[in-house]
Amino acid sequence: SAVISQKPSRDICQRGTSLTIQCQVDSQVTMMFWYRQQPGQSLTLIATANQGSEATYESGFVIDKFPISRPNLTFSTLTVSNMSPEDSSIYLCSVFQETQYFGPGTRLLVL
Amino acid sequence: TQLLEQSPQFLSIQEGENLTVYCNSSSVFSSLQWYRQEPGEGPVLLVTVVTGGEVKKLKRLTFQFGDARKDSSLHITAAQTGDTGLYLCAGAWAGKSTFGDGTTLTVKP
Repeated sequence: SAVISQKPSRDICQRGTSLTIQCQVDSQVTMMFWYRQQPGQSLTLIATANQGSEATYESGFVIDKFPISRPNLTFSTLTVSNMSPEDSSIYLCSVFQETQYFGPGTRLLVL
Repeated sequence: TQLLEQSPQFLSIQEGENLTVYCNSSSVFSSLQWYRQEPGEGPVLLVTVVTGGEVKKLKRLTFQFGDARKDSSLHITAAQTGDTGLYLCAGAWAGKSTFGDGTTLTVKP
């Protein structure tokens, strides 16, 4: 199993600002995933982050808006840039080790 | 793109009732997972089914994977208020998961 922690757990931000979300895993993993979950909805994959290479973004998500870092095998960050109220969501970090594990999420509210 | 459709989207029942949630796709998955998510938390894995036709039981929860590995169901017997939450199915293929739209279950006392 994998234990994942995220910081911050929640934040309220002003539009036009940026927020960086941190994800820490208790074991080394090759791939880390970032998801967005809008209120009352399911999970949408933003990107897959591999250590030592650029993240792979899903359709509808771009690096300029959601830059990702993956400096080592246990850590990743997702930045939500130039935020607007439409970015208000829960952002979840996840890893796949035989099955998928999720962090507790970062609840973001953009005013 | 592999899509998963869950039904119903919302379900509100009385404690003690039974319910079934369905997860359907036109795509084949190597495995399928069911998660439960409570407000303010990330999804927590309930079960993984891998073999077509497989049935797994977890106390009052029964999970079934379709013979063709394209669909699954979650049946809860004698629901309790603690079963309230968002239930998500996710199909895995090539190391990635596709999530269904979720079923929001409310069990009233």
